[in-house]
Amino acid sequence: IVMTQSPATLSVSPGERATLSCRASQFVSSNLAWYQQKPGQAPRLLIYGASTRATGIPARFSGSGSGTEFTLTISSLQSEDFAVYFCQQYNNWPLTFGGGTKVEIK
Amino acid sequence: QVQLQQSGPGLVKPSQTLSLTCAISGDSVSSNSAAWNWIRQSPSRGLEWLGRTYYRSKWYNDYAVSVKSRITVNPDTSKNQFYLHLKSVTPEDTAIYYCARDQMRHFDNWGQGTLVTVSS
Repeated sequence: IVMTQSPATLSVSPGERATLSCRASQFVSSNLAWYQQKPGQAPRLLIYGASTRATGIPARFSGSGSGTEFTLTISSLQSEDFAVYFCQQYNNWPLTFGGGTKVEIK
Repeated sequence: QVQLQQSGPGLVKPSQTLSLTCAISGDSVSSNSAAWNWIRQSPSRGLEWLGRTYYRSKWYNDYAVSVKSRITVNPDTSKNQFYLHLKSVTPEDTAIYYCARDQMRHFDNWGQGTLVTVSS
């Protein structure tokens, strides 16, 4: 299953809302996770089950969608949120990731 | 708190075997609810899941088709760690390699990453 993320780069001012999209080439139900990756670090799980926040993830991160279309929303961007975000489907083998969206400071 | 600590060489010669270790603390490699994975990341391939090992009354493995003929992921219960062996490497295998735990096929704990360069 090919995961396509858009946009590739998103320029946002601190305090603004960021909306990231992920599209699956086939139906993945709600078996979709989101990760955040900062330079030099491993990815960090944010969301699984399309909308369930992982332990310790702030409420400003929310996920939605099912089937083939998914969205990650960051309600009010903080300085620590500027990073690359990946989606990953786990409905079918092999597990596959999107190419990422870089959220940068506007 | 689960922690994964990776170790292994950062440089491997073409045609040789890439071998990495992931030491687990805060969980067990023999857990009946977790699986232990290897994932790599490169500019050309992005994030690519490679394979995993897990225990459900006996040991199982799953591997990506792209590396299935070359990969082995195996546990070491005496040391509570697991290994990646990728044989016959080429420069295309140059990447950052991560170990990671999954409990429902998404990855909730990651190692720190190891940059492996394949070069003579």
